Amino acid sequence: DAGVIQSPRHEVTEMGQEVTLRCKPISGHDYLFWYRQTMMRGLELLIYFNNNVPIDDSGMPEDRFSAKMPNASFSTLKIQPSEPRDSAVYFCASSLGQGFGYTFGSGTRLTVV
Amino acid sequence: SQQGEEDPQALSIQEGENATMNCSYKTSINNLQWYRQNSGRGLVHLILIRSNEREKHSGRLRVTLDTSKKSSSLLITASRAADTASYFCATSPMDSSYKLIFGSGTRLLVRP
Repeated sequence: DAGVIQSPRHEVTEMGQEVTLRCKPISGHDYLFWYRQTMMRGLELLIYFNNNVPIDDSGMPEDRFSAKMPNASFSTLKIQPSEPRDSAVYFCASSLGQGFGYTFGSGTRLTVV
Repeated sequence: SQQGEEDPQALSIQEGENATMNCSYKTSINNLQWYRQNSGRGLVHLILIRSNEREKHSGRLRVTLDTSKKSSSLLITASRAADTASYFCATSPMDSSYKLIFGSGTRLLVRP
């Protein structure tokens, strides 16, 4: 398996623009997680899905953020409109479930100017 | 919000020495996990220890868990320059559906 695949690796966008981050989890993993990492706040859980259904989105910072998982092999995290404070590394991870570790993707480094 | 806090924040040792990192958390947990992150990369799962376990080994890694003190430690024996990375503990809180909350991490530098 190629692991968790995220795209793009780097994204630079202007404030106010829409940004879409993509993730392909490991086949067979029922759980998918979106995290954000910054120097100031560390790793924050934004949202997670179980069998394509959002379970906990309490970490989504604002209505500008939305996430979808239309099928078991694809998820998106969208920011609209983007702001400079959204600049961070966004990670997607997947897991078999309780009692198993997470497999992380390589992340998307987002810079909003 | 962060559940786990690692100590120390940074650690510098000589190759061949042992490295010990500590993690404290606040609420009851299902399990505790340790991850490694190399600069600019994603996190890699190292080891998972369940709440009813006290110690676990994997190669040069040894993890202990003390649920009464809400703390865990990660020991890396005979460190190598390639062990240079940030190490995070992550807890699965018992009162939450399945998710992991990560600590702030320990930056380990192993000098050749």
